[in-house]
Amino acid sequence: SQTIHQWPATLVQPVGSPLSLECTVEGTSNPNLYWYRQAAGRGLQLLFYSVGIGQISSEVPQNLSASRPQDRQFILSSKKLLLSDSGFYLCAWSVPPSNQPQHFGDGTRLSIL
Amino acid sequence: AQSVTQLGSHVSVSEGALVLLRCNYSSSVPPYLFWYVQYPNQGLQLLLKYTTGATLVKGINGFEAEFKKSETSFHLTKPSAHMSDAAEYFCAVTLNTGFQKLVFGTGTRLLVSP
Repeated sequence: SQTIHQWPATLVQPVGSPLSLECTVEGTSNPNLYWYRQAAGRGLQLLFYSVGIGQISSEVPQNLSASRPQDRQFILSSKKLLLSDSGFYLCAWSVPPSNQPQHFGDGTRLSIL
Repeated sequence: AQSVTQLGSHVSVSEGALVLLRCNYSSSVPPYLFWYVQYPNQGLQLLLKYTTGATLVKGINGFEAEFKKSETSFHLTKPSAHMSDAAEYFCAVTLNTGFQKLVFGTGTRLLVSP
């Protein structure tokens, strides 16, 4: 069966520090991968998605970036965190066609001090 | 572009009462619709989905939803609430063409009192 792992579960970082959140999927090949940010009362905001290795699409301009160095690995990064980067970050995967659901990891709670 | 509106950021029910969470969508083409549930500090779990065919869809934990094209709605219901149903619920829409990008509503927090 397929599983998705996100780490760390919680992270407290100072303003201006770098960030690296990792997501890996097991049990499927060539999945579509997604990064979301969830802010209270605002639902889920799609940040990045990827249809294959090295292919990244950005939905929202910001100081975050994403990379997909391997088929089932998706990384969210920042060189310098802002206070506004605080939130709950979720990774998800899906496979075509578009009527298939997305499957979510347990998320990372990021607090910026 | 498609969008989703969830009426009511909070819904309170008593244990054993009917649960009704509202979702209206906007889409220029036939949509695919999903309901997800999120427990505190966890990811989203799929409750049910509508793609094609039968408009009344049954999901996990006794939930069901009905796709009503004329009303552009996909409301989630459960006949009898349980304390364990207390969570946040998200409705989402995607188009049936091309790459799957979900558009989520802002969520409804369900509170269940004894």
